Amino acid sequence: EIVMTQSPATLSVSPGERATLSCRASQSVSSSLAWYQQKPGQAPRLLIYGASTRATGIPARFSGGGSGTEFTLSISSLQSEDFAVYYCQQHNNWPHTFGQGTKLEIK
Amino acid sequence: EVQLVESGGGLVQPGGSLRLSCAASGFTFSSYWMSWVRQAPGKGLEWVANIKLDGSEQYYVDSVKGRFTISRDNAKNSLYLQMNSLRADDTAVYYCAGGGWYPAYWGQGTLVTVSS
Repeated sequence: EIVMTQSPATLSVSPGERATLSCRASQSVSSSLAWYQQKPGQAPRLLIYGASTRATGIPARFSGGGSGTEFTLSISSLQSEDFAVYYCQQHNNWPHTFGQGTKLEIK
Repeated sequence: EVQLVESGGGLVQPGGSLRLSCAASGFTFSSYWMSWVRQAPGKGLEWVANIKLDGSEQYYVDSVKGRFTISRDNAKNSLYLQMNSLRADDTAVYYCAGGGWYPAYWGQGTLVTVSS
């Protein structure tokens, strides 16, 4: 099983600033990496797939990068609605494991 | 509008069974892999199972292999999860998700509580 490790566990950033979240895979997942956003009481929302492709309707301030074992999700100019928990998920090998999540909170 | 509506959750005793259902609409259900993903209270997301477009392949996380069965009925645009020999650590909100291996479509979830 591929273990996905996200860092940091919690990230405190002020509105309008940039946030960078990290996700590391225990072995290469090529570019088979997705990012999701989840707000309290809501289902996850797909943000990025293929490591760097924004899903339909996702604002351009969200960008993904990386390949192999190291990935990043960047959010430029944070808006109030961006404060949430973010998960990465690999879909290169079964089981399609998630990271433990990064909570993005208002500083 | 895409909709995924789960049902069938509830309180069950350890060792018991439940069958979750997911009714899909607003997209071509038969064209996509479908998934079940769960989230224990206050915890992160855990992928549970996937099923291929025609139901010919299924994959499971190790912790549910032999106890859970994912299935689908493309004629009814429906996804199912038969859960047997339930344990306390199966307690979670179970989400139906679809749109491929990186699901773009998610239901609101159904809560399964395993407790005596």
